[in-house]
Amino acid sequence: EADIYQTPRYLVIGTGKKITLECSQTMGHDKMYWYQQDPGMELHLIHYSYGVNSTEKGDLSSESTVSRIRTEHFPLTLESARPSHTSQYLCASSEFRTGYEQYFGPGTRLTVT
Amino acid sequence: GNSVTQMEGPVTLSEEAFLTINCTYTATGYPSLFWYVQYPGEGLQLLLKATKADDKGSNKGFEATYRKETTSFHLEKGSVQVSDSAVYFCALSKYNQGGKLIFGQGTELSVKP
Repeated sequence: EADIYQTPRYLVIGTGKKITLECSQTMGHDKMYWYQQDPGMELHLIHYSYGVNSTEKGDLSSESTVSRIRTEHFPLTLESARPSHTSQYLCASSEFRTGYEQYFGPGTRLTVT
Repeated sequence: GNSVTQMEGPVTLSEEAFLTINCTYTATGYPSLFWYVQYPGEGLQLLLKATKADDKGSNKGFEATYRKETTSFHLEKGSVQVSDSAVYFCALSKYNQGGKLIFGQGTELSVKP
């Protein structure tokens, strides 16, 4: 079973609020990822990190930001939430030793009203 | 560029029916190939994988064979159960891309009793 955690699982928040979605893994993986999943199920990579102090934007442009100060922790922040940010956010991690198989957290379902 | 194409869903089957979900890919070299499953309200779980041509991945009665000549990785199961109802994602990964996964669009499977 994957040891990767996301909190909160569900969040309903008003427009303009600042929010942080938490993601932590206890596997010591060097690589971590954030995906946005739209209602049509498709997954879009929005951020990734190859290690501490390394972050890159993904294939889908996002107004969110991320940080990687510790190996195990990869939070995602929205400075000012908007209804267009309503989505499911999935965090994942991987490492070279396991052939880059990605382990996923349970997700955070965000609704911005 | 690299891409993954899955058969469109939703797929609806009766219990004990045979399942095939087609997946084809475009990539140079020798990517690793994966099938992930997402149950309602959860994150993705790795179902099976194959890392080289002619490898067969298998798990929980599901199988997929890495066919380089047809650039395919079709998912099969001989007898589906209601509990197999989920969304299935085909994905590829290449080592020279730092472990990023490229996902297909997902195929929703619904199994009726």
